[in-house]
Amino acid sequence: QSVLTQPPSVSGAPGQRVTISCTGSGSNIGAGYDVAWYQQLPGIAPKLLLYGNNNRPSGVPDRFSASKSGTSASLAITGLLAEDEANYYCQSYDISLSEVFGGGTKLTVL
Amino acid sequence: EVQLVQSGAEVRKPGESLKISCQVSGYIFTDYFIAWVRQKPGKGPDWMGLIFPGDSDTKYSPSFQGQVTISVDRSSNTTYLRWDSLRSSDTAIYYCARHLGGSGWRLFDHWGQGTLVTVSS
Repeated sequence: QSVLTQPPSVSGAPGQRVTISCTGSGSNIGAGYDVAWYQQLPGIAPKLLLYGNNNRPSGVPDRFSASKSGTSASLAITGLLAEDEANYYCQSYDISLSEVFGGGTKLTVL
Repeated sequence: EVQLVQSGAEVRKPGESLKISCQVSGYIFTDYFIAWVRQKPGKGPDWMGLIFPGDSDTKYSPSFQGQVTISVDRSSNTTYLRWDSLRSSDTAIYYCARHLGGSGWRLFDHWGQGTLVTVSS
């Protein structure tokens, strides 16, 4: 059981907008720690997608955005493309456990 | 260009020892933490621990404390993850990742390609 809870799967048609939630607690996201998001394509290492206040590493399109409120965070993807089909993970810091990840959400582009 | 290159896949029997490696390039090795992360098939990543190559200061996740050892060789810009006695439950892909952090934030900005460890009798 992961410390950060994500839905196992989401789906959307090309061009649509999808969101992925990440629910934590008062010892991690709720304690004010930022959330980072990673994209993992099959057979490939995770890749940093977003961090902090919507910061994107070079090369990440602005179709990807993130938000945080209370003990939860969300990743939004607009203008869905077939190449966005992947697993997405959230990650934060926990006062007791240090670095923690979500269990992951599989995005299917219909 | 920042690169983390890991050693190849390994197959071991339960009870055997193993040491896998992660060699970095493209930045000053001793300036950034390196973390090790386990990922089992179909599961999210699990943070195992991290090391600061500058002084070998190491921190482990409570779940992995005493189960593995993280070390560093500054002469070769390499970090290691070692098991003294493997279990079948250690079968997974192991990633090294550069770890950044500050007040209120932590992240892993560059990752190795992963090392598949299979433990089977």
